[in-house]
Amino acid sequence: DAGITQSPRHKVTETGTPVTLRCHQTENHRYMYWYRQDPGHGLRLIHYSYGVKDTDKGEVSDGYSVSRSKTEDFLLTLESATSSQTSVYFCAVALDEYTQYFGPGTRLTVL
Amino acid sequence: QQQVKQSPQSLIVQKGGISIINCAYENTAFDYFPWYQQFPGKGPALLIAIRPDVSEKKEGRFTISFNKSAKQFSLHIMDSQPGDSATYFCAAGNNNDMRFGAGTRLTVKP
Repeated sequence: DAGITQSPRHKVTETGTPVTLRCHQTENHRYMYWYRQDPGHGLRLIHYSYGVKDTDKGEVSDGYSVSRSKTEDFLLTLESATSSQTSVYFCAVALDEYTQYFGPGTRLTVL
Repeated sequence: QQQVKQSPQSLIVQKGGISIINCAYENTAFDYFPWYQQFPGKGPALLIAIRPDVSEKKEGRFTISFNKSAKQFSLHIMDSQPGDSATYFCAAGNNNDMRFGAGTRLTVKP
């Protein structure tokens, strides 16, 4: 599992509330990613990080922000959750820009 | 616009048979092509990957075939087993830009 934990594993929240998901890794991987998984779309990259305080946008970054203040933690924040952000969110890590290993996921429901 | 198209959406194979899943990509700059296996309630797990400088890569019962000119690649699972029943995702990308197919749900019947 590449030493990845995600928290919380499940969350139900209401439209308009802020939500923060946490990804924690124990193996000092340089690269970290946030994806969302929706039926019919596979996985889509939200944001990624290539080092502490170094982040960049992915394919579906609107409505999301990220922060990485320590190598081991990568946070995904939904400033004001919407129903369209109901999804399963996966964190991934990589030693290089290619070989990604995924965490167990967080199921988020926005009512 | 989906940059990686995967087919079929679902596949049923008898135990011992060959499972074949196909993917096509658009961006010729992509230079890394992994396949992931995902069981219900779990994260995707890297199964096998290939670079465009080779046409085939085999690891145990799993083989990737790669056709650069056609911009297509496929996963072959030989001697399919019920334990292989899962959703399989192809991906293509480079430099942190990985694009995934929509997934194929494989069922291997005993």
